[in-house]
Amino acid sequence: DAGITQSPRYKITETGRQVTLMCHQTWSHSYMFWYRQDLGHGLRLIYYSAAADITDKGEVPDGYVVSRSKTENFPLTLESATRSQTSVYFCASTGGAYGYTFGSGTRLTVV
Amino acid sequence: ILNVEQSPQSLHVQEGDSTNFTCSFPSSNFYALHWYRWETAKSPEALFVMTLNGDEKKKGRISATLNTKEGYSYLYIKGSQPEDSATYLCAWSPSGSARQLTFGSGTQLTVLP
Repeated sequence: DAGITQSPRYKITETGRQVTLMCHQTWSHSYMFWYRQDLGHGLRLIYYSAAADITDKGEVPDGYVVSRSKTENFPLTLESATRSQTSVYFCASTGGAYGYTFGSGTRLTVV
Repeated sequence: ILNVEQSPQSLHVQEGDSTNFTCSFPSSNFYALHWYRWETAKSPEALFVMTLNGDEKKKGRISATLNTKEGYSYLYIKGSQPEDSATYLCAWSPSGSARQLTFGSGTQLTVLP
């Protein structure tokens, strides 16, 4: 199906473990983004990518790594998960002037 | 970090009431202002993208205006319905980083039947 899909929808992991959140879009949008949703802060940008092999830091990049070897995929990796990274993570993409399209979100709990 | 402020934080209205919210953003270096509707347990959906001072956009009972010189946008809902209950987010992007949005914290609207 066309769209932007995130996986998994829910994830529980332990402190110190590495975890990867997946994002896949089928529109060939050039721009992709990772946001986290935090109470009192709304959506905060973690990383974004303007095209394959081009990524850049957003507002809160520490503790996260991204890659974009193919236009359609933009995985987000938490290298060593901490409790402060418990959040809902949204992937989004845009191809132009019509706003972002968001994935359904991944709810991550770090215990 | 340049702030995008939304007010009020939350709002309860009766079905049939008209309502409006405010989004304030930096007036310098402006490129675009976005509005999104975010229902509980779903993902945000784009309502409007506005780029020109004085822009007005309309979608059904929802409309938005933009003042880039003073750095504010209003979102209006006419004749609110329970299905309008959601969080409404605005987001700003500067020229030079046109696709990199900074989001406000949102206005949570509850429409009571």
